[in-house]
Amino acid sequence: QSALTQPASVSASPGQSITISCTGTSYDVGNSWNYVSWYQQHPGKAPKLLISEVNQRASGVSLRFSGSKSGNTASLTISGLQTGDEADYYCCSYGHHDWVFGGGTKVTVL
Amino acid sequence: EVQLVESGGGFVQPGGSLRLTCVASGFTFSRYEMNWVRQAPGKGLEWVAFTSTGGYPTYYADSVRGRFTISRDDAENSLFLQMDSLSVEDTAVYFCARDTFRAAADYWGQGTLVTVSS
Repeated sequence: QSALTQPASVSASPGQSITISCTGTSYDVGNSWNYVSWYQQHPGKAPKLLISEVNQRASGVSLRFSGSKSGNTASLTISGLQTGDEADYYCCSYGHHDWVFGGGTKVTVL
Repeated sequence: EVQLVESGGGFVQPGGSLRLTCVASGFTFSRYEMNWVRQAPGKGLEWVAFTSTGGYPTYYADSVRGRFTISRDDAENSLFLQMDSLSVEDTAVYFCARDTFRAAADYWGQGTLVTVSS
């Protein structure tokens, strides 16, 4: 159950797009099940589900958030960055009856 | 409105035990699989345990297997986490989360803080 690898931080100006990568192994991200989720967490708050099954937006989530996967790496793209997007983002993959989270990426809106 | 409310956190010495409770409302609790996820202070998220509907099967992270027990009482719309042999590494905010499908949890509680210290 090794953690998935995410960049520690990403920053960009409002209106720009960013992509957060999430690298795992063939046991988790790279398996054939496509069970990768993304969560957003603001300070002091509970995580919020953004994306499930690699690219399925959760109910009420903005179209600005999109997910994809290639091999052992999943990605979350945020387009049209807004100040409210400043938060921590976590990827999560379903392995063999367990969840594996990434270390988290702090997104800063300059 | 879906709500998950955790309780039971607090201060405990190493080797001690604690039982967390998560009370659900606003949905048919018995129809959903549930999880516990924790977050150490200033750290990332760590999945802890899962229970299917009906209370079986259950799965655990390697770091807690044999020490923690997840259970549920559908009549009381409640999820539990019995934590034994606690160590300082178990210090964290513990969240309960409603499972939708394979590492996707659509509703989370506000969390309850567990502090293990001598």
